[in-house]
Amino acid sequence: AQSVSQHNHHVILSEAASLELGCNYSYGGTVNLFWYVQYPGQHLQLLLKYFSGDPLVKGIKGFEAEFIKSKFSFNLRKPSVQWSDTAEYFCAAFSGNTGKLIFGQGTTLQVKP
Amino acid sequence: EAGVTQFPSHSVIEKGQTVTLRCDPISGHDNLYWYRRVMGKEIKFLLHFVKESKQDESGMPNNRFLAERTGGTYSTLKVQPAELEDSGVYFCASSRQAESTDTQYFGPGTRLTVL
Repeated sequence: AQSVSQHNHHVILSEAASLELGCNYSYGGTVNLFWYVQYPGQHLQLLLKYFSGDPLVKGIKGFEAEFIKSKFSFNLRKPSVQWSDTAEYFCAAFSGNTGKLIFGQGTTLQVKP
Repeated sequence: EAGVTQFPSHSVIEKGQTVTLRCDPISGHDNLYWYRRVMGKEIKFLLHFVKESKQDESGMPNNRFLAERTGGTYSTLKVQPAELEDSGVYFCASSRQAESTDTQYFGPGTRLTVL
């Protein structure tokens, strides 16, 4: 069965530190991948998505993710985090036939000012 | 455009009671999804409507859960009777098309607590 796993459940960084959140998926077919973010008290919102083409995807707020097919990975990166990046981050995969998103467990990022 | 809205934002009920959650998708979005996050676990798919039809309800936990989308607009998710393990956050999402390139927009969720 298709699954998505996130390596870290809770990450604490200081402002200006670099961020990399791991995400791995298990699926042999065409995969469409997403990173969502939920800021405190807000809706889940899309950060970025990959469905084809350039494996390096740029999203909002300076985030990017790289799709590495050989490693079944789609890690999220940001060179320099800000306090306002404190949120929970979710990696997800889309199974095109069904329309449903399959989520990882989520990673809570706490950025200390 | 207005986003996906959900009502109520919080609900606290006792085991055995009935609760109905409501979701209003973005206007014009034919696809509506329900997801649930039990505390400490991942967000899990419950079901998918295309207009008023259930496209996929493979994630519904059991027959205590009933989802409807009469008229293809808003949707309700009823839990009857509620059990302790039903506690969690119920998210609704909508998209214009059920294609891999189409973004699903999420509502704020309803936090359900069953005592």
